[in-house]
Amino acid sequence: ENVMTQTPLSLSVTPGQPASISCRSSLSLLYGDGKTYLYWFLQKPGQSPQLLISELSSRFSGVPSRFSGSGSGTDFTLKISRVEAEDAGVYYCMQGLQLPYTFGQGTKLEIK
Amino acid sequence: QVQLVESGGGVVQPGVSLRLSCAASGFTFNNYAMHWVRQTPGKGLEWVAYIRHDGNKKDYADSVKGRFTISRDDSKNILYLQTNSLRIEDTAVYYCATDRAIYWGQGTLVTVSS
Repeated sequence: ENVMTQTPLSLSVTPGQPASISCRSSLSLLYGDGKTYLYWFLQKPGQSPQLLISELSSRFSGVPSRFSGSGSGTDFTLKISRVEAEDAGVYYCMQGLQLPYTFGQGTKLEIK
Repeated sequence: QVQLVESGGGVVQPGVSLRLSCAASGFTFNNYAMHWVRQTPGKGLEWVAYIRHDGNKKDYADSVKGRFTISRDDSKNILYLQTNSLRIEDTAVYYCATDRAIYWGQGTLVTVSS
């Protein structure tokens, strides 16, 4: 099983400041088709997870440009360039390369 | 727009069965693989089961293998999860999701308690 490890598990950010979350995979998520099957989700309180970033760096429809995904192989980063109040919630990374899909533990983002 | 609506959850005793359903709309259901994912406060998000678009490949988490069965009815655009021999540790919110977890339903709560 591919283990996904996120850091930090929580962070508190002032609106307008940047935020960064790291995710490490125990196996490379780069597939032979050239795609990296790493996904980022945000779960707001009382809601189901919603996709932010697919295949390493593709913002999903409607996701603001302040969100960006980067990395390669086994090390990945989600960055929020300027945090807004609506960004509060728990962020998860997920590997979708092989079954079983596996998730990071989650990073709780608090807005100061 | 894509909509996934789960149902069938409830409060049950250990050993009992439940059938969860996920009604899909807004996309061509039979073109897509589907998944069940569950969430518990203690263990976060856990992938549970997968079914290929044609129903001919299925896979399960080790924690549910032999007890849960995923299936689909493409004529009704419904995804199912038959959960047998439920255990206390199966208590969770169960979500259905499209392949690569791009779209999620709102979830249905299963509580297993004596």
